[in-house]
Amino acid sequence: ETGVTQSPTHLIKTRGQQVTLRCSSQSGHNTVSWYQQALGQGPQFIFQYYREEENGRGNFPPRFSGLQFPNYSSELNVNALELDDSALYLCASSTDSKETQYFGPGTRLLVL
Amino acid sequence: GDSVTQMEGPVTLSEEAFLTINCTYTATGYPSLFWYVQYPGEGLQLLLKATKADDKGSNKGFEATYRKETTSFHLEKGSVQVSDSAVYFCALRWSSGGFKTIFGAGTRLFVKA
Repeated sequence: ETGVTQSPTHLIKTRGQQVTLRCSSQSGHNTVSWYQQALGQGPQFIFQYYREEENGRGNFPPRFSGLQFPNYSSELNVNALELDDSALYLCASSTDSKETQYFGPGTRLLVL
Repeated sequence: GDSVTQMEGPVTLSEEAFLTINCTYTATGYPSLFWYVQYPGEGLQLLLKATKADDKGSNKGFEATYRKETTSFHLEKGSVQVSDSAVYFCALRWSSGGFKTIFGAGTRLFVKA
């Protein structure tokens, strides 16, 4: 069984740019959640997608947006990058919105 | 609002010592509770979970009991190993109304040989 994978592993951008991060769900999982983990802190919930629709969102501005595709893979898009967006971005998948989440290794984003 | 509070680290123990990492939560209702572990350079791994009051989650010698009366979910292990060195996160998750998961700040554990 293939686990959750994310790409790229590392990324460097400059302030004001846009970035797209990708996540492939674990086989059989139809729900994907995205988290931001700043250095030395716990992950912060960004949003969750279930069967291609957003069904939960944390306290992040609209410049954080996402997509989920028919194969349940997902993208996180961040526009107008700010220095504080530098963090590890984690994706997690589950078989249902209510079930246990399995996390990918993350994408480390550095905004200069 | 809802929150999770963990004891501050780092926690440094000798091999075979007893481990307790405290976790308390504030929430309206009864969320599911989780402990995740993060090894250096890796993502989060689910360690154990409990979905209702008085449930005990256990895995790899670790255990935690969902205590509604004290709103706590303390992580314990009777005899730690060097390989247990990692960051441990306590979290709560709602099964409805946005499915938000709230994590604590994490507790770093160092185990010395």
